[in-house]
Amino acid sequence: EAGVAQSPRYKIIEKRQSVAFWCNPISGHATLYWYQQILGQGPKLLIQFQNNGVVDDSQLPKDRFSAERLKGVDSTLKIQPAKLEDSAVYLCASSSSPGLAGGGQYFGPGTRLTVL
Amino acid sequence: AQSVSQHNHHVILSEAASLELGCNYSYGGTVNLFWYVQYPGQHLQLLLKYFSGDPLVKGIKGFEAEFIKSKFSFNLRKPSVQWSDTAEYFCAALYSSASKIIFGSGTRLSIRP
Repeated sequence: EAGVAQSPRYKIIEKRQSVAFWCNPISGHATLYWYQQILGQGPKLLIQFQNNGVVDDSQLPKDRFSAERLKGVDSTLKIQPAKLEDSAVYLCASSSSPGLAGGGQYFGPGTRLTVL
Repeated sequence: AQSVSQHNHHVILSEAASLELGCNYSYGGTVNLFWYVQYPGQHLQLLLKYFSGDPLVKGIKGFEAEFIKSKFSFNLRKPSVQWSDTAEYFCAALYSSASKIIFGSGTRLSIRP
């Protein structure tokens, strides 16, 4: 079974620029998550989708971050404009159900963003 | 606010030593608990999980964790570590009331060969 795919793996931008990350979950997984992991910290949930609907985006800085999962499969996370404090690894994960009763979440390799 | 605490930021052990990594979660009603591991250069993967039933949970690679409700703890254990266990370990909790999974800050485990 193919895992969660993410691209790009690395991105370096200057502050105030825009950036977008892409995620393709495991086939058939209805639940998709975007996390931000700052160095030395655990992953922090930014947004959770169930199919193409948003379940939780309470920790998403909506003034600069946006995410969509239009067809309920792959997803894009965008930052516009980026700030220095957005430097982090952005992780995408998917699961077969939001309750994680199965195999839990499956994580992608992440995108390491550096904002200069 | 719901939270997960991992008080050991970096643990260094010799091979064959026993391991116990602490994890405490805040009260928030029904909670499901997880341990994830991230080996160098690899992505996060599930070690074990607790939903209900036997509070002693066995996972992959000889790891186990014990859910102690009275202590709000879910410590990870392994009787004899190997060099290949060098990784970062994250405890996480899924609070049913919030349907949100919260991660601890992680513990880096270094094993001396």
